Amino acid sequence: NAGVMQNPRHLVRRRGQEARLRCSPVKGHSHVYWYRQLPEEGLKFMVYLQKENIIDESGMPKERFSAEFPKEGPSILRIQQVVRGDSAAYFCASSPSGAETQYFGPGTRLLVL
Amino acid sequence: KQEVTQIPAALSVPEGENLVLNCSFTDSAIYNLQWFRQDPGKGLTSLLLIQSSQREQTSGRLNASLDKSSGRSTLYIAASQPGDSATYLCAGTGANSKLTFGKGITLSVRP
Repeated sequence: NAGVMQNPRHLVRRRGQEARLRCSPVKGHSHVYWYRQLPEEGLKFMVYLQKENIIDESGMPKERFSAEFPKEGPSILRIQQVVRGDSAAYFCASSPSGAETQYFGPGTRLLVL
Repeated sequence: KQEVTQIPAALSVPEGENLVLNCSFTDSAIYNLQWFRQDPGKGLTSLLLIQSSQREQTSGRLNASLDKSSGRSTLYIAASQPGDSATYLCAGTGANSKLTFGKGITLSVRP
């Protein structure tokens, strides 16, 4: 029974490029959350998705960031035109419903040069 | 807006010591309170979840308590071991299942 999978585990991008982070939730989980951990900062909520729907994106930066969770396939967090300040660890979590324990993936560590 | 605070940021204890990690939160309207463990360069492992109607939860050498009225939670670790060295994060679950995290306490257990 695989847990939450994230890939890539490490991603290096140059300023201005696009970063695509993938998250496959625990099998059977339809709720996905993305969090960002900046250096020396705590984890911050970014977005909450349920299959094909964005439930809460109050933590997403207004520009360059987008997320989706299609009917088939993994959830994708997309960062366009990356800047050095986007360097962080991005964690995905999933749960079977909105009120239960969230299971976290190993994270994707993004480094912007 | 929920704020979660964990003090101190780091703690070093000798092996075998019982210890308490503290967590405080500003908004008592939380659905539950979770404690996580994070090892360097790794993801988060859920340790204990306390529902808002509960007072405490236990798992092995770990015991977590929740006092909503005072906005506090504690994680008690009995007979600490070097393998317990990690960063411990507490998080409150609010509306839309959002987790609000503290910055964590980095624990070092000396052999």
